[in-house]
Parts: sequence; structure tokens; C-alpha cells
Amino acid sequence: DAGITQSPRHKVTETGTPVTLRCHQTENHRYMYWYRQDPGHGLRLIHYSYGVKDTDKGEVSDGYSVSRSKTEDFLLTLESATSSQTSVYFCAITATGTNSPLHFGNGTRLTVT
Amino acid sequence: GQQVMQIPQYQHVQEGEDFTTYCNSSTTLSNIQWYKQRPGGHPVFLIQLVKSGEVKKQKILTFQFGEAKKNSSLHITATQTTDVGTYFCAGNNAGNMLTFGGGTRLMVKP
Repeated sequence: DAGITQSPRHKVTETGTPVTLRCHQTENHRYMYWYRQDPGHGLRLIHYSYGVKDTDKGEVSDGYSVSRSKTEDFLLTLESATSSQTSVYFCAITATGTNSPLHFGNGTRLTVT
Repeated sequence: GQQVMQIPQYQHVQEGEDFTTYCNSSTTLSNIQWYKQRPGGHPVFLIQLVKSGEVKKQKILTFQFGEAKKNSSLHITATQTTDVGTYFCAGNNAGNMLTFGGGTRLMVKP
């Protein structure tokens, strides 16, 4: 498997609190993505990055922000968590964009109470 | 926007039976990718199809890309218990992000 580490693996937080999820890669890939996975919806893109400090929104970006200050790290922040953001979050990387396969991390299970 | 539909949502089979999942896009795709996710795991890339009418095989898995590049299928011949998991298709048209189907969850009874 590609060198992708997500942290934390599990998180329980209260509504209204800020939460940051981290994705760290050792592959030196240019592209990084954050997806959320919910039953019946497959994987939906939240935000993605095509280089250091270069990010863009995906289809479900409301309530989320991202930052990429280094090639290896891509952070996803929920500024004020809501129960609808309870989900499994996956980070993925590719070397050359979405015409090449995605390599996923192990995921972060987030519960907002 | 682009939509990718996948059917069925669930499939129970007896070990040894065949299994097929279908993927349909609302727009013409430049390529389609297939992923497998084991229970409790993360999606793992299986294959990418690019050409109209393309057929590729991986052991007991057969993948097809439709002539119009708007649909695809994954067929497993004689399923085994190790095939359990959720199978996702994901497609994009040039320059856009991948759009995932909702997945087909395969359960195999021994």
C-alpha cells in the first residue's frame, strides 16, 4: 500500500467544536484528496489539492476547509462540527490527477454527538 | 453535474455463483476505474478502463467498458468468500474529478 497515514483513526466530538483531521503521505505525490463515505452515497469529494497551497472545492465542501503547507500533509478542518458530518473520512493521493488510480488511507471514523 | 449510478446496491450469492455489478453514467466518460473495499477497510484500486468496448480480465474478475463509454460492468465468475466487500465504480470526463457510484455490497454465503 502507498505510504498514507491518517490521524486520528477514530474521533468523537461534540456539536459546535472544531475538528482537524490529518493526512500524511510519504510518496511525494502532487495530488491529495479528502472524501467522505456515507451509506448509499459512495465516496464524495470534499476538497482536493494539486500542490502546496493550491486547493479547490469538491462536491460537498460546505462546512469544511483544508490546508496544504507541505507536500506531505493535507489537513481537513471542520470549523464547527455538526451531526451531519458524522462519517468516515478518507484521504487519497495520486501522482498525476484523477486519470490515474487513487491510493487511499485507512480512514478516520468521526462521530459528532 | 455528472452522475454515476451503480446497481444493485446489495447482492447475496451462494459461494460458487456468479456476480455482476453495473455502473451507468449520465455523461460520456474518458475513463472508468473500479475499486474494492473490504469490510472495515479502505477502497483499493482494481483496474482502469479507457477504450470504448474494452474488456479486461483479472483472474475471475471481468471488466467491461461500454461502446458509448457511459456504462461499465464487473463480473465475478464463481464467487469465493474472499470476494466479499463493496465494489465501487468511479468515472470522470476529461479534466473533471472522479465521481463514484454508490457501490454494490457483495455478500457470499459459504
